[in-house]
Amino acid sequence: GAVVSQHPSWVICKSGTSVKIECRSLDFQATTMFWYRQFPKQSLMLMATSNEGSKATYEQGVEKDKFLINHASLTLSTLTVTSAHPEDSSFYICSAREHGGNEQFFGPGTRLTVL
Amino acid sequence: AQKVTQAQTEISVVEKEDVTLDCVYETRDTTYYLFWYKQPPSGELVFLIRRNSFDEQNEISGRYSWNFQKSTSSFNFTITASQVVDSAVYFCALSEGDDYKLSFGAGTTVTVRA
Repeated sequence: GAVVSQHPSWVICKSGTSVKIECRSLDFQATTMFWYRQFPKQSLMLMATSNEGSKATYEQGVEKDKFLINHASLTLSTLTVTSAHPEDSSFYICSAREHGGNEQFFGPGTRLTVL
Repeated sequence: AQKVTQAQTEISVVEKEDVTLDCVYETRDTTYYLFWYKQPPSGELVFLIRRNSFDEQNEISGRYSWNFQKSTSSFNFTITASQVVDSAVYFCALSEGDDYKLSFGAGTTVTVRA
């Protein structure tokens, strides 16, 4: 149980385009989902926290208009990188927390490369 | 300020050696959780352990063991008799209060040579 999937697992796009990444909890309902970014050889940095049905809470320094997060259902959150640029190239990882639970379950990550 | 410090950037050992990874954390909360994750080259995070602030009992799971000491704000991780498959980046993380957000340390890259 407690499986989280991400789609796509990797994506290459041209500079200026937008990319959508999906995070799904497959066998539980996730009231909270978190989005992390990891640059090569660096740690994971929390970008934002999204709660189902409400606006996401962004960490300091993360542009909410550039990284659009939608958590429209209890099993799906999406991260859209708008007008992507090469510096947005990174490994994006989501995690999900079940209602009433205090553990996060991580997705396998999405590797974004912007040319 | 860095909430989780992993001072060791890289550790290289020969197979069957023991390796200890240090983790020092900083928090003002009385209720918090500490975690260790393994990240192999594939990138997917593998959950290893979660410890809450009220449970200082050390834990052993197979070749893995953890030493939690609130007096020194440390939560160290030891791999006994290391194997090549243990080669990965290991992250220590802290969750404070009830918002469940994780603050990760910088990670320690462990390389186990045959």
